[in-house]
Amino acid sequence: SQQGEEDPQALSIQEGENATMNCSYKTSINNLQWYRQNSGRGLVHLILIRSNEREKHSGRLRVTLDTSKKSSSLLITASRAADTASYFCATDNYGGSQGNLIFGKGTKLSVKP
Amino acid sequence: NAGVMQNPRHLVRRRGQEARLRCSPMKGHSHVYWYRQLPEEGLKFMVYLQKENIIDESGMPKERFSAEFPKEGPSILRIQQVVRGDSAAYFCASSPPSVAGLGEQFFGPGTRLTVL
Repeated sequence: SQQGEEDPQALSIQEGENATMNCSYKTSINNLQWYRQNSGRGLVHLILIRSNEREKHSGRLRVTLDTSKKSSSLLITASRAADTASYFCATDNYGGSQGNLIFGKGTKLSVKP
Repeated sequence: NAGVMQNPRHLVRRRGQEARLRCSPMKGHSHVYWYRQLPEEGLKFMVYLQKENIIDESGMPKERFSAEFPKEGPSILRIQQVVRGDSAAYFCASSPPSVAGLGEQFFGPGTRLTVL
């Protein structure tokens, strides 16, 4: 079943602007991760935030987690054309085998130069 | 320090043929995961393996699909008697034993299967 649901499905911005993507999930989690996928390529891990953390930064990336609302957001500041990609949130399989990630459908980000 | 390797990158099969997808995890990683991605969709978990052991195959279709991760060599995802609906990108990921399913997974470039 679908766990993460990203919002919006597509986002188009100008270079230099900030991009915010949201993710909602349904069950309890141990952690939540964000991945990037360039067209026709594999996924690249961006950041992992644990259930007891509320905010995490990595370079131009800022991730927040609100476990009471079962939601997370990914903020990319000062966007660049190279940030154009699809972004997915993924949660662990809480209570399950712990082996698999459960992905949302992704947000397709387009950054225009 | 090679990343996760998958081959072939593109595979074309006719209906009824077999497809074999290979995955070599990162060095030192003994946990392998297979995912399937349909166009414009997120990744869907298929199977989680350790060396010589299937840990979780809850995402695998009951028929025609099988996976293995032998003591020596790559992990293999095998699809028998392929149908058009099997056309998708298949991604392999790996992680070290210390992380298992609770941390970052390192993804390969994927195999794009097209069934004619």
